[in-house]
Amino acid sequence: RKEVEQDPGPFNVPEGATVAFNCTYSNSASQSFFWYRQDCRKEPKLLMSVYSSGNEDGRFTAQLNRASQYISLLIRDSKLSDSATYLCVVSGSGGYNKLIFGAGTRLAVHP
Amino acid sequence: NAGVTQTPKFQVLKTGQSMTLQCAQDMNHNSMYWYRQDPGMGLRLIYYSASEGTTDKGEVPNGYNVSRLNKREFSLRLESAAPSQTSVYFCASSENPSEDTQYFGPGTRLTVL
Repeated sequence: RKEVEQDPGPFNVPEGATVAFNCTYSNSASQSFFWYRQDCRKEPKLLMSVYSSGNEDGRFTAQLNRASQYISLLIRDSKLSDSATYLCVVSGSGGYNKLIFGAGTRLAVHP
Repeated sequence: NAGVTQTPKFQVLKTGQSMTLQCAQDMNHNSMYWYRQDPGMGLRLIYYSASEGTTDKGEVPNGYNVSRLNKREFSLRLESAAPSQTSVYFCASSENPSEDTQYFGPGTRLTVL
């Protein structure tokens, strides 16, 4: 079983749609959770951290369920510019900031 | 600030050749990392350097060596390239080992024939 699992997609949605991505992780000791965004043939960039109480940044909402070891990202009012691959990222263990990356979920927003 | 820079952007090698991938950051970060990204898989950590003067193995270190030349620079060396090392390589840095946010360079696309 992969340490971080995501639906690879692609999710094809029209502009203005609401789309949700899910992610599960296997290490119950993980303490930090993130969503990164990666555009085609570019480097990953931090989109947002995920906090236990859930958090929102504009059109983006992230949720964490520690009991189910499940993370979600909700994008409202999708824009063409949201088209990218979204990486679920979980901290590992070992005394340093080891990040475990999911393979990513691809989103394509069309007019 | 350029952030994290990597050279070269593209490279084609023949099996058995060697090369060094260069990475530099201008954010005065203490920690630096090398990842590889393959289709259908997440980024995997090859080596990291928690601070200047230290390096440690990550998840997939075999076939690679690293040098933390100074605080700014962290290089990755392939001594004898193999087709299985065909990948996209990303360098990243963070303020310190416990810092959550890592900043990535633009990547090096390596093909080994």
